[in-house]
Amino acid sequence: NAGVTQTPKFRVLKTGQSMTLLCAQDMNHEYMYWYRQDPGMGLRLIHYSVGEGTTAKGEVPDGYNVSRLKKQNFLLGLESAAPSQTSVYFCASRPTTGFSDGYTFGSGTRLTVV
Amino acid sequence: AQSVAQPEDQVNVAEGNPLTVKCTYSVSGNPYLFWYVQYPNRGLQFLLKYITGDNLVKGSYGFEAEFNKSQTSFHLKKPSALVSDSALYFCAVRPSGNTGKLIFGQGTTLQVKP
Repeated sequence: NAGVTQTPKFRVLKTGQSMTLLCAQDMNHEYMYWYRQDPGMGLRLIHYSVGEGTTAKGEVPDGYNVSRLKKQNFLLGLESAAPSQTSVYFCASRPTTGFSDGYTFGSGTRLTVV
Repeated sequence: AQSVAQPEDQVNVAEGNPLTVKCTYSVSGNPYLFWYVQYPNRGLQFLLKYITGDNLVKGSYGFEAEFNKSQTSFHLKKPSALVSDSALYFCAVRPSGNTGKLIFGQGTTLQVKP
């Protein structure tokens, strides 16, 4: 039971480059979320999805796009990376109801933009 | 605006002593409250949650938290700290509504010294 898997785990980008972060969950969860973690700021919600084919903006969506073409996958894209996007990115998922243990988080992607 | 505050960046405790990590929140309605722990280079792990009922909630690894509605607080506690408890702790709130977005506090680093 893998839970939530994020790839890649580490990445260094040059300013202006693009990349896609992949989040995959095998728990048949409806809801999926992308957060970024920055020192002293906790986790901030970038985008989220309440089901296959749906996405919505979170607290800090600028500079990011997302897609949820398949229920098990939630992709986060950076079209033109900026140094301000240097962060640790976490994906999370949860079922619609009865989430006895809250959310399941991936192990994170550490992104550095130089 | 809805928010969660963890007033202490770091809490230092001697092994064997009781510990408290503070959390206050400002959200409307009856929120769900969570505590998560993050070990270095790892994702967030669920510790405990308050949904309704008894104000004292028991969770993993001997941790507990006390919900105080009048003070809008949800402090994390443990009677006897272990060195292995040293980690980053996040308080989170899920406001009313079905999108399930979590609002995180800034995080508190717990340092338990032998």
